[in-house]
Amino acid sequence: QKEVEQNSGPLSVPEGAIASLNCTYSDRGSQSFFWYRQYSGKSPELIMSIYSNGDKEDGRFTAQLNKASQYVSLLIRDSQPSDSATYLCALAGAGNMLTFGGGTRLMVKP
Amino acid sequence: EAGVVQSPRYKIIEKKQPVAFWCNPISGHNTLYWYRQNLGQGPELLIRYENEEAVDDSQLPKDRFSAERLKGVDSTLKIQPAELGDSAVYLCASSRPGEANYGYTFGSGTRLTVV
Repeated sequence: QKEVEQNSGPLSVPEGAIASLNCTYSDRGSQSFFWYRQYSGKSPELIMSIYSNGDKEDGRFTAQLNKASQYVSLLIRDSQPSDSATYLCALAGAGNMLTFGGGTRLMVKP
Repeated sequence: EAGVVQSPRYKIIEKKQPVAFWCNPISGHNTLYWYRQNLGQGPELLIRYENEEAVDDSQLPKDRFSAERLKGVDSTLKIQPAELGDSAVYLCASSRPGEANYGYTFGSGTRLTVV
């Protein structure tokens, strides 16, 4: 079992809808979680971090963390075609490094 | 603040040839990471440096891969000889000590194609 699991997608949503991306992890000791966005041919870009149970909002993005159930999610409200990308979930573990999931490809259709 | 700089952006080589990638981290960042990202997958850590010391290289295929970070600044990742399966994007990132808990920034990556 991989440490960080994501559905590879693609997840297709219409423009203006809410996109919901999910991630589960196996290390109960993990304390820091991140969402990266990666456009095709580009390197990953950090868009959200979350450290406590509950929701964290930043503009159109909301990260949700539930440590008891070991999942992290990212909601994108009012999805735009420019949000079409692969979204990578990552967690900080021992050794000052990030472990990444395989990513979910999001397609926002006009 | 300049970001993490990597070169070259693209490299195409024949199998069994050597290849090297270069990374210049953000100024003041003592921790440097090399990741490999295969097509359709997330990045996987190859090696982590704290200053000049490689403190985590358990995922580095040591029979053909080597890395160095002279003077604790720039780093070079080398593959010799390259195999077809080494085709991937090689990403470099850096952070201040202990700041991986706040995420870190990647360079633009080197896309390697082995033919």
